[in-house]
Amino acid sequence: DADVTQTPRNRITKTGKRIMLECSQTKGHDRMYWYRQDPGLGLRLIYYSFDVKDINKGEISDGYSVSRQAQAKFSLSLESAIPNQTALYFCATSERGRYNEQFFGPGTRLTVL
Amino acid sequence: QKEVEQDPGPLSVPEGAIVSLNCTYSNSAFQYFMWYRQYSRKGPELLMYTYSSGNKEDGRFTAQVDKSSKYISLFIRDSQPSDSATYLCAMSEYTGNQFYFGTGTSLTVIP
Repeated sequence: DADVTQTPRNRITKTGKRIMLECSQTKGHDRMYWYRQDPGLGLRLIYYSFDVKDINKGEISDGYSVSRQAQAKFSLSLESAIPNQTALYFCATSERGRYNEQFFGPGTRLTVL
Repeated sequence: QKEVEQDPGPLSVPEGAIVSLNCTYSNSAFQYFMWYRQYSRKGPELLMYTYSSGNKEDGRFTAQVDKSSKYISLFIRDSQPSDSATYLCAMSEYTGNQFYFGTGTSLTVIP
């Protein structure tokens, strides 16, 4: 089984809809991250969490919110989706003391029409 | 100006060739430098990790950091078709801090 899983893997939605992307990990890592990947822009950090009580904004947090429901679960929400949020979204984890080694999930391809 | 610049390619080489992938950056405070490999329809995976300046070798892969020039490189010797992927550089100021990724270089190794 994969160590970092993301659901759904693909999602098509319409402008204005609320969307939640979910991430689960079985690695026992304390840190979790949400990135988006766009052609020509690379990977950009949206939010990251050091533990259940610690949530931090990344480079591009506007229009997104997150919830760390448990050490193993980290969800990303788009409250009112817009077309320029169409992207590939990745969840990642890292463990205490080895934060520069991030383990990525398989990604969620989101299309906002 | 972006924090990290990386030539997107695509780069196409014959099997057995030496490949050089490069990134430049503007933030002199970056100290940690990573290379990730991303296969099509997969998440990135860590390939190499170096701290500060110097070289690091792991099998066919060598990572090189020149902080004076704000330039990092990844060399792949005896390239194989299985090396065909997108290679992303990433860097951070200190461990645990936010990563800044390059846009990735697409590499194809032709048998």
